[in-house]
Amino acid sequence: DAGVTQSPTHLIKTRGQQVTLRCSPKSGHDTVSWYQQALGQGPQFIFQYYEEEERQRGNFPDRFSGHQFPNYSSELNVNALLLGDSALYLCASRLVAGGGETQYFGPGTRLLVL
Amino acid sequence: GQNIDQPTEMTATEGAIVQINCTYQTSGFNGLFWYQQHAGEAPTFLSYNVLDGLEEKGRFSSFLSRSKGYSYLLLKELQMKDSASYLCAVSPPGGGNKLTFGTGTQLKVEL
Repeated sequence: DAGVTQSPTHLIKTRGQQVTLRCSPKSGHDTVSWYQQALGQGPQFIFQYYEEEERQRGNFPDRFSGHQFPNYSSELNVNALLLGDSALYLCASRLVAGGGETQYFGPGTRLLVL
Repeated sequence: GQNIDQPTEMTATEGAIVQINCTYQTSGFNGLFWYQQHAGEAPTFLSYNVLDGLEEKGRFSSFLSRSKGYSYLLLKELQMKDSASYLCAVSPPGGGNKLTFGTGTQLKVEL
């Protein structure tokens, strides 16, 4: 049973660039959430996708956008990168219908903005 | 809004018991998660409490008091591999993915 996978594992960008991060949920899961985790902090909720639509959003600017595909995989896009966007980006998935509350996290993508 | 507090760091001895506390003040609450996170890795699920009381799962137990806005994670028979960050997270009313995390408690297990 494949867990949550993310790509790439590491990424280096410069200020002003754009980045796309990818996530494949755990097998059978239909809901994907994205979190940003700065060093020494807990993860911060960015947004959640279900049925290919953004359902909930945290306190992040419009530079952060996403997408969910029919196979439930998801992308996180960040435009006009800032130094402060350097962080570990985590994807989490769960099954909405009868699957309970537990979210499973992927290994993350570590983004460094120079 | 949500406010979650947990100690920044704790140190304990191999074989001992340690209790990591978490207090929360939230505008709404459904349940409380505990996750373990080793350096450079993703958080891994430990427990989820919705009802008051203690839930035991092997060496790890988690307690919740909804009226006091308080939870703790109890780790018994500590092992060196338990050295990690322990994250407390609150889920909103109705459940859902929008977890609010504390900053984590960095536990160091020493010989």
